[in-house]
Amino acid sequence: AQSVAQPEDQVNVAEGNPLTVKCTYSVSGNPYLFWYVQYPNRGLQFLLKYITGDNLVKGSYGFEAEFNKSQTSFHLKKPSALVSDSALYFCAVRDQSNYQLIWGAGTKLIIKP
Amino acid sequence: NAGVTQTPKFQVLKTGQSMTLQCAQDMNHNSMYWYRQDPGMGLRLIYYSASEGTTDKGEVPNGYNVSRLNKREFSLRLESAAPSQTSVYFCASSEAVGDTQYFGPGTRLTVL
Repeated sequence: AQSVAQPEDQVNVAEGNPLTVKCTYSVSGNPYLFWYVQYPNRGLQFLLKYITGDNLVKGSYGFEAEFNKSQTSFHLKKPSALVSDSALYFCAVRDQSNYQLIWGAGTKLIIKP
Repeated sequence: NAGVTQTPKFQVLKTGQSMTLQCAQDMNHNSMYWYRQDPGMGLRLIYYSASEGTTDKGEVPNGYNVSRLNKREFSLRLESAAPSQTSVYFCASSEAVGDTQYFGPGTRLTVL
């Protein structure tokens, strides 16, 4: 079955430190992968996606994600965290049978000053 | 451009009441979606419309109906609300199914 997992419910990082939010996936064929961010009481905002090409994808707000085919991972990263990055982050993978997005449960990122 | 808009923002219903959630997008997207978000469960797809004139069930369609009124608008109806339908509802749209989705601000629904 096709699936996506975000193994950490919450990630705590000090401001200025690098951050990583983890995502692993299981799909047949070549994956289409997405990261979204949700600020409190707001809708989800698209951050970045991987379809093909360079394994390092750059997105909005200084975020990037690294696609690793051998480890079936698509971790979200940022070199220097800001307090304003505190939010809920969702990873999603496209189901290759019906093209719907399969969503992870979300990871709460807390950046402490 | 407003993107994806949803009305209302908040709603409280009593068990058995009905209501319709409205969604509109101004990006000329073909596909539209309704999700519900519950704590710890991520997003679950209720219904989607791949293109104007079509609708299909998602993961959790029971208790809901949808109407793709035109290319811009996609509504979600609860015919007889139940407490289990207390949730935050998001509408989204994309160029086509499987493309990047863009979300509305959500409707917070409480069913007493």
